Parts: sequence; C-alpha cells; structure tokens
Amino acid sequence: AQKVTQAQTEISVVEKEDVTLDCVYETRDTTYYLFWYKQPPSGELVFLIRRNSFDEQNEISGRYSWNFQKSTSSFNFTITASQVVDSAVYFCALSGGGTSYGKLTFGQGTILTVHP
Amino acid sequence: GAVVSQHPSWVICKSGTSVKIECRSLDFQATTMFWYRQFPKQSLMLMATSNEGSKATYEQGVEKDKFLINHASLTLSTLTVTSAHPEDSSFYICSARASGGAWYEQFFGPGTRLTVL
Repeated sequence: AQKVTQAQTEISVVEKEDVTLDCVYETRDTTYYLFWYKQPPSGELVFLIRRNSFDEQNEISGRYSWNFQKSTSSFNFTITASQVVDSAVYFCALSGGGTSYGKLTFGQGTILTVHP
Repeated sequence: GAVVSQHPSWVICKSGTSVKIECRSLDFQATTMFWYRQFPKQSLMLMATSNEGSKATYEQGVEKDKFLINHASLTLSTLTVTSAHPEDSSFYICSARASGGAWYEQFFGPGTRLTVL
C-alpha cells in the first residue's frame, strides 16, 4: 500500500520568508513518481513538479525548489521569498508502478498562508 | 494541450435526486479516467478508476450503486450520484490519462462542487 504524510497541517508566514513543506512517503514499489500540486481557493489543482524514483537530483524552478531523498523517503518543497499569491493548499502525491499502477495517493495537504 | 473539463462546475440539488457530472478530455483521448472526492479541508480520495468500454473499478468503501460511472467514449466519463444526500456534498474532481501516454501522468479537471440540500 502507498502512503503519503504531510505532517504540517497549516503554516503561516510573513511575506518574503522562506518556507519548507514536508512530505514523507511509503511504498514497496521500486519505480514510482512523486508530485507536488497547488490548490488555490478556486479548487483547481495546479501541477508543480514530478520526480521519478531514480532521479534524486534536487530541482529549482524560480522561487521553488524540491529536495528528494530516498534514504529518508522524503520529498520536501521549499518556497523562497514567499509571496501572498503563494497562499494555497499544497499536496504531495505518489504514483507507484506496482499493484497500485498509476493510482495517485495524496497526502493530507498543507495549508500555507502568506501574510503581507 | 492536455485539457480536461468538467461540467457542471457547481450544482445544488435536493436530497433524493440524482446528479450527473461529466468529465471530458478536450484535446486528447483518454482510455483511463479517475474520479476523486474531496471533503472540505481534506485531501483528495480516489473513488474509482474508469476505463473506456469496461466497468469501473471502485476503491474500497465506495458504493458502486450510489456512484455510477460510465466511460462510453475515449473523451467522456460521467459520474452519477444517485439519490444524493447531504453527506454526498463534496468537491468531485476527475483526471484523465492519455491513451498511449505515461502510466504515471494524469491531467486534472477543474472540479465540480456538489451541494445537496
């Protein structure tokens, strides 16, 4: 069975602060993909990043960066110099290639509020 | 590319009525579509996997007679909530996997907010 844990239910920061959203996963599959999605108040999921289990390189995209560590089964997401527009719910998700083939398992989500 | 639409975007209905939600892949064919449900301030939970031309596969705990899924074409899947009750009020999101596409890639629709009075 797959499991994704986002231990931080809510995070509140002031604009320009850096913030890291934690994600820990469990899977028995050797091939799997990890995702981060943003869900603004409108509800529509916005895809942020996908990472496969064989690529542990960290990635940076503008103010966003991701740290994938298989040794600790973590895929953490950092927003640098946060902005009010970053306020949203962020979900980490896992898709395994084994018996769960292609099914996405989502974490509980982290509500990020960035204050001006 | 890879746009998925849902209709309606929101619906309010009376308890006991049935509601149909459509999920369409607009610019690609989708052999497989997924239906998720999201209660307020909670995560997305997979309800069922819909394959074109065959019966849907439901996740444990999801009543297949209550949530009827039909995937009649490569671009359309429908979810019908039968005899809806207030506890069925939720945000329903579909996603689609492109025919011949990567097994891990899903494109999400914008969601449908259902309120049952």
